Amino acid sequence: QSALTQPASVSGSPGQSITISCTGTSSDIGTYKYVSWYQQHPGKAPKLIIYEVSNRPSGISNRFSGSKSGSTASLTISGLQAEDEADYYCSSYISGGVFGGGTKLTVL
Amino acid sequence: EVQLVESGGGLVQPGGSLRLSCAASGFTFSNYWMTWIRQAPGKGLEWLTQIKEDGSQKYYVDSVKGRFTISRDNAKSSLFLQLNSLTVEDTAVYYCVKDDGYYTFSHWGQGTLVTVSS
Repeated sequence: QSALTQPASVSGSPGQSITISCTGTSSDIGTYKYVSWYQQHPGKAPKLIIYEVSNRPSGISNRFSGSKSGSTASLTISGLQAEDEADYYCSSYISGGVFGGGTKLTVL
Repeated sequence: EVQLVESGGGLVQPGGSLRLSCAASGFTFSNYWMTWIRQAPGKGLEWLTQIKEDGSQKYYVDSVKGRFTISRDNAKSSLFLQLNSLTVEDTAVYYCVKDDGYYTFSHWGQGTLVTVSS
């Protein structure tokens, strides 16, 4: 199984925008449109915030957006708020599910 | 509203067994693949296993093949995970997850903690 690579941590100030990258290979992100992003607050279950690269489930703020270029997917959070401080995980369609290692977002 | 409620976690000795259950509601359970994902303390997410809508296909990550068994009872909208030959490395929160297709994990249970320790 391949692995998806995310930065361990990112930070930003309230109101700013940040981007979290998720790098895969031509066999996963590079081939399929099925990239998802999950938000996890401490002690809570993960929550789907982006699916199929750039789609938001009902109820998810439009401050969250997703994109993909080649083998790298990205999650952008605009207008950072304190409540966005959490861990973020990417995943991609591949035989046998695989997640990125997770990125801890700190709102300064 | 989709709800997934896990149960069955607890403290078990190395080499022991445990059976996790997940009660699903708020959607037509028999129409969806279901998945178990775990998270060791302070670590990331690890996909473990999935089962097809009718239970005819099952897939496992290599680290649990031969030790864990996924099953489902569509009549009771329930998902199960039998954990055998447990090791300390299996200590984690285990999540029951609804798969909307192509590994899009749309809904997660609150998780159940499995602790393997002597």
